Amino acid sequence: ETGVTQSPTHLIKTRGQQVTLRCSSQSGHNTVSWYQQALGQGPQFIFQYYREEENGRGNFPPRFSGLQFPNYSSELNVNALELDDSALYLCASRGGHLLANYGYTFGSGTRLTVV
Amino acid sequence: GDSVTQMEGPVTLSEEAFLTINCTYTATGYPSLFWYVQYPGEGLQLLLKATKADDKGSNKGFEATYRKETTSFHLEKGSVQVSDSAVYFCALNPVSGNTPLVFGKGTRLSVIA
Repeated sequence: ETGVTQSPTHLIKTRGQQVTLRCSSQSGHNTVSWYQQALGQGPQFIFQYYREEENGRGNFPPRFSGLQFPNYSSELNVNALELDDSALYLCASRGGHLLANYGYTFGSGTRLTVV
Repeated sequence: GDSVTQMEGPVTLSEEAFLTINCTYTATGYPSLFWYVQYPGEGLQLLLKATKADDKGSNKGFEATYRKETTSFHLEKGSVQVSDSAVYFCALNPVSGNTPLVFGKGTRLSVIA
């Protein structure tokens, strides 16, 4: 079975620009969550999608938005990039029903640098 | 809200030394507890988990026991190897709310031969 795949692996953007990060969840997984990991910190929850609906959001401003597609892949969009958005963005997926206590499978992340 | 506190790193050990990484949590109810490991340049891998009090999670020689009375989930390994060098994250799955995982800040472990 394939794991969680994220693209691109690295990118550099200019302050004020917009960026889209992509995630292909593990086969059979219907739940995707996104995290921001600043250098030297633990991952911070951004939002989660279950069967194409957002069902949880962390303390991030509205310029962080997302989508989940019918094949359960997902996108994270960030508008009006700020320098502090520079971080590793992690996608994680799992299967089962919404309240299932299964472990999440993480991708390798996208390293975003805002200059 | 729920939170996780880990011991500050970095931790540097010689090969075959005993490892303990402390983790305590604050949470409503009885969350599931996890340890994730992040190798350089990679994402997070689930190392072990425990879903209720007194459960012991174990994997690859690592162990952690869910201690409700001390709200702790310390990670231990009897004999570390150079290949164990990584960053270790303690995390919990809150009982209520829509946050799937709350992480600690991570502890960097370096094992030298």
